[in-house]
Formats: sequence, structure tokens, C-alpha cells
Amino acid sequence: GAGVSQSPRYKVAKRGQDVALRCDPISGHVSLFWYQQALGQGPEFLTYFQNEAQLDKSGLPSDRFFAERPEGSVSTLKIQRTQQEDSAVYLCASSHPTGSVQYFGPGTRLTVT
Amino acid sequence: DQQVKQNSPSLSVQEGRISILNCDYTNSMFDYFLWYKKYPAEGPTFLISISSIKDKNEDGRFTVFLNKSAKHLSLHIVPSQPGDSAVYFCAATEGGSQGNLIFGKGTKLSVKP
Repeated sequence: GAGVSQSPRYKVAKRGQDVALRCDPISGHVSLFWYQQALGQGPEFLTYFQNEAQLDKSGLPSDRFFAERPEGSVSTLKIQRTQQEDSAVYLCASSHPTGSVQYFGPGTRLTVT
Repeated sequence: DQQVKQNSPSLSVQEGRISILNCDYTNSMFDYFLWYKKYPAEGPTFLISISSIKDKNEDGRFTVFLNKSAKHLSLHIVPSQPGDSAVYFCAATEGGSQGNLIFGKGTKLSVKP
């Protein structure tokens, strides 16, 4: 595809359930980022991959959050034992190896009830 | 403490006039600045960027100005069009293609016909 795609677009989870969010970056983009956007806020950094290596996970809010990119393309963000405060839009972005511009997907809106 | 600040939550402009969106930052290590536009239920879309070695970058109706001494940047849209109505996010990074973006909270622009 031409852009970054994410699935599902919407996810409702009961508190305590595990969720998995998928990101397909732009072909050829080795850098992949995950952000969390709460209502009325700007996106906040969660984690960064270069190919399959997770080089920065300093933004992950707790050990319930886990991200992987095993083959250096598709990435999955997993949240275990979801809490109400996890409700947010989760955005994935990718960038060209030599560029600073990040291109975002449409996001997954997670609602924890 | 917020490193990137957009102090105006909203701005209303008449069609055909100039829109000026402002952004302030505190981290002097930021070396690249970006503006993104976001429509509801979509991911942020890259608009324009500027490197810290420049003080102006222009792309069609959009111009970004950077004042490093004041740690301030602004986005000018001339002439404004109703389709420009969206939330605009200012973002900054200090790591080039490997740096995560630090976002402001956004400014909602409304362009009235």
C-alpha cells in the first residue's frame, strides 16, 4: 500500500483483557514509531524500532505494554491486562532511513470499559 | 514540563485571510521541526518542516518561520481556505531520522467562508 496502515481501527476491551494492535509501515521504511494520543493532547512517544531492533522503549508507560517487530516490517503493540487509563488513540509512524519526516497511520482508537 | 507548547487551543480566520499558528519550545537541542495537520478520525498528515540551520521554509500556501533565539516557530497559511480547517500540531526532534517527535497539544483552526 501507499501509506501506513493500522488495524483494527477501533477496539473496545473490557478492563483486564489483553489487546494487540497491528501496524504495517510504508514499504522500505526501516524506522517505525508508536505513539499514544489521549483526548485533547498531542501524540506521545512510546517506542521506536530500526528494522527488527527495538532501540528505544523509554515511553512505554508500564510493563503491561510490549511491542515487537520480528521481521523488520509489520509491528504489533500489545497491552496486557488493559486499564481504563489505556483508553487512547494509538498511532504508528514510519520514516525513510535518511529522513526525519514521520508518516502516520490512521490510528487505532482503544476504549477500555 | 512540556517541551513544545502551542498556547492557542483554537483560531478562527476568514477565508482568504492569513492564518498564523504559533509554537514555542524549550529544548535547545531540537534540530528539526515539523507541522502536521489532523482531521477527525485520521492520523496526522505531514505538512511542512524546517531544519534548525534555516529560518524559513516555504511550500505553496504554507510557510514556516523559525526564530532560534526566541525558541519560537510559526506556520503561515496564505490564503486560508475552508479545507484548511483542522487541528495543527507542531513537533520537534533532536535525533534526525532516529529521533522520536515531541508534539504540542495542537491548535484547532477554523476557516470560515
